[in-house]
Amino acid sequence: LAKTTQPISMDSYEGQEVNITCSHNNIATNDYITWYQQFPSQGPRFIIQGYKTKVTNEVASLFIPADRKSSTLSLPRVSLSDTAVYYCLVAGLVFTGGGNKLTFGTGTQLKVEL
Amino acid sequence: NAGVTQTPKFQVLKTGQSMTLQCAQDMNHEYMSWYRQDPGMGLRLIHYSVGAGITDQGEVPNGYNVSRSTTEDFPLRLLSAAPSQTSVYFCASSSSGTGETQYFGPGTRLLVL
Repeated sequence: LAKTTQPISMDSYEGQEVNITCSHNNIATNDYITWYQQFPSQGPRFIIQGYKTKVTNEVASLFIPADRKSSTLSLPRVSLSDTAVYYCLVAGLVFTGGGNKLTFGTGTQLKVEL
Repeated sequence: NAGVTQTPKFQVLKTGQSMTLQCAQDMNHEYMSWYRQDPGMGLRLIHYSVGAGITDQGEVPNGYNVSRSTTEDFPLRLLSAAPSQTSVYFCASSSSGTGETQYFGPGTRLLVL
């Protein structure tokens, strides 16, 4: 299972764009990159998923370079309500048994201020 | 759809007591899993299941048992609670593999005295 490395915390102000980078040097060919958001006292919630290049949805964008050894979650114009922990995960879409277990790291605590 | 539901929301146990945390999903998902989250830490995988009748251990399985008799339900059993099991427990499900979008329940907050 590809290990991921993210910054422990980030601070921003309302209206700014926030970019959170995740390193995953050992990503496998069949692995996808998924980002989750977690608010206090709630379970994580899916934000975005991608395999390569760029993916965009109504919430965020995900940038993945050609070597796929890292990825960047981009949150445009953050607000106070975006204060949360953001997790980067790398895993295959199909369970193949053994070590293919989804595990979360400690994530990145994003704090947005006025 | 209710999604993933967990009961109870909060529970206090004494050391040595047993209990079962309930998890149910109505999305016909094959893959279900249990995580624990301690203060200031990420989620750690306890046990998971890839379908009815099939379970396997995750990262921190000791002290916990699971079974999967139906697609919908995946209960987590604490046979003899210990203070080290004080945590917030999340159940999750997905349609197939571990990389598929995981849908999480609201969590069960457990305090073991």
